[in-house]
This record gives sequence, structure tokens and C-alpha cells, in this order.
Amino acid sequence: GESVGLHLPTLSVQEGDNSIINCAYSNSASDYFIWYKQESGKGPQFIIDIRSNMDKRQGQRVTVLLNKTVKHLSLQIAATQPGDSAVYFCAENNYGQNFVFGPGTRLSVLP
Amino acid sequence: GAVVSQHPSRVICKSGTSVKIECRSLDFQATTMFWYRQFPKQSLMLMATSNEGSKATYEQGVEKDKFLINHASLTLSTLTVTSAHPEDSSFYICSARKTGGDNQPQHFGDGTRLSIL
Repeated sequence: GESVGLHLPTLSVQEGDNSIINCAYSNSASDYFIWYKQESGKGPQFIIDIRSNMDKRQGQRVTVLLNKTVKHLSLQIAATQPGDSAVYFCAENNYGQNFVFGPGTRLSVLP
Repeated sequence: GAVVSQHPSRVICKSGTSVKIECRSLDFQATTMFWYRQFPKQSLMLMATSNEGSKATYEQGVEKDKFLINHASLTLSTLTVTSAHPEDSSFYICSARKTGGDNQPQHFGDGTRLSIL
């Protein structure tokens, strides 16, 4: 089924702490995953991607973990900063099909 | 690279007006572009997939005569909301995928806030 939600979970973290945002995807055949960041009034911005032949991928201050067994994706943000406050979406893709977006998680960074 | 420009960013118009939104890939070619609608505090809802040189593919429940899509070149897709009504007010976002493979990220424009009075 499609992973389109009707509510927006919120995660609040202290500035400087690490953040972990989770996503459960729906299609076991999905082989490509992306995390997007969306700031208020803007379009989603690509953060990091991972393919199904990998379990972990690191970027600058971000790490994506993929657990295909339980169809779970997570985004870890190290040393969270105020500029990280946004809504984060995971997206899954089955080769050749459209991306399906998760419901999103709002990250609030507390001073 | 991979910049997508969407124009206009904000439209306010009277009920019954038709509104055209442009989506351009500035530094890459995009055989496929996507149009989304986003309601407050919700995820992106795919409206249609726009393919260069062919008819768009609409998602279930999206009226193709209401939301006209044209993808005449590898860098431009347009969405026209015909005879817009207050219920069409929303945030419309386009994205583009580079030519050359399906398993590539979509790059998004900054959206168009449409308000119908």
C-alpha cells in the first residue's frame, strides 16, 4: 500500500544532541530510498540516499540506516543545529516506479 | 547541480481564473517531471507524472481536464489549474528527475502557494 499519512509526528531535540528520525516503508520490493528535508514554504531538499544493497550510508553530519528485514529506514543527524529544524520525509522507490513519500516528521531544535 | 525552478511562488486570484505554474530544470535535462499537491501538515500527494513529448499520467482521483499538464521540452513542464475554485487552494510542488535512469533522486522546486478567493 501507499505510505501517505494524515498527521505529522514531531521530534524535539536539544541543540547539540543527536537526532534520529525513523520511517517505516511499505513495499518490500523498494530498492532505493531518499531522505528529504522541507523547510516552511519551500520544496523538499535532497539530503541523502541509499540503495537496497547497502545498510548504511554517511554524509556530512547525517547517516542513513536501512533495515530491509523490518522495512525500516532511519536518518541520524549529528550535533543537531537550529538550522536543522524542518519536516523530514523518507521516500521509497521500486525501480521504474514513482517515489512514495512517508508522512513526514517535524524536527524542532530547542535552544 | 540539479536545480529546479518553479514559478510563480505565490498566486492569489479570483474564483474561475485559470492559473499556469511552470517547472524548469535549470542545469539538467528531465524526461520525467512530477506534480505534487501538499496540504498543511501533510505529506506530498502525487497528482501526475509528466513525460516529455507524451501525455501525462494522472493519479487516481485527479481530474486531467482540471489540471492540464504540458511537458513540451526536456527542461519545462507546466501545470494549468483551469477554472480554479477555493477548494483548489493548496501548495503545488513540482520535481524533476534527470534523464538517464529511474533510480535517481527527484529534485524539487520551491513550490507555488495558490490561493483562490
